[in-house]
Amino acid sequence: EPEVTQTPSHQVTQMGQEVILRCVPISNHLYFYWYRQILGQKVEFLVSFYNNEISEKSEIFDDQFSVERPDGSNFTLKIRSTKLEDSAMYFCASSYRESNSPLHFGNGTRLTVT
Amino acid sequence: AQSVTQLDSQVPVFEEAPVELRCNYSSSVSVYLFWYVQYPNQGLQLLLKYLSGSTLVKGINGFEAEFNKSQTSFHLRKPSVHISDTAEYFCAVREGSQGNLIFGKGTKLSVKP
Repeated sequence: EPEVTQTPSHQVTQMGQEVILRCVPISNHLYFYWYRQILGQKVEFLVSFYNNEISEKSEIFDDQFSVERPDGSNFTLKIRSTKLEDSAMYFCASSYRESNSPLHFGNGTRLTVT
Repeated sequence: AQSVTQLDSQVPVFEEAPVELRCNYSSSVSVYLFWYVQYPNQGLQLLLKYLSGSTLVKGINGFEAEFNKSQTSFHLRKPSVHISDTAEYFCAVREGSQGNLIFGKGTKLSVKP
């Protein structure tokens, strides 16, 4: 069964550094998402992406964040200048259609900002 | 605005006992409902979904959930749990016109021998 894959599984970075989290969505999916889960808290929506542009974003997704689909397979989340509070598990997801298609999630990247 | 409430943050049960994990949602429009499971150190895996039709939906690992529109609930049930069901369970809702999922805070199911 096709999967969403995320790399790396764990990233440690210093405050103020830039990080790029990488995801390879399922190949025939058209909608891509990033979510995050701060330790002990709920899973929060960050951004959705369709047709090479952001379709929706939450208030968490400020100017420090950006997403890109640099080629036909990868979907990346960049945090320009990391803060301690960015430490979380970041999940990538993809779906074939909007609304009634379930999201398929990757195993996540645990980002630790020191 | 839509929201999802999972009333129980932790549910401890003994093996082979039945379990119900509660989920209520609020939305002014039609919704699609999902349950995801997160095993320790893993990602989110789809357990089951309600899109339309029969209000009782069956998922993987013997779980089922019932959509109750009048009570705006989508409780998850299993008649007999196993140790391997120990995980965190997330209810999620998606409005018909939106793409992103809104998650509840999760319920940690702990199955004891």
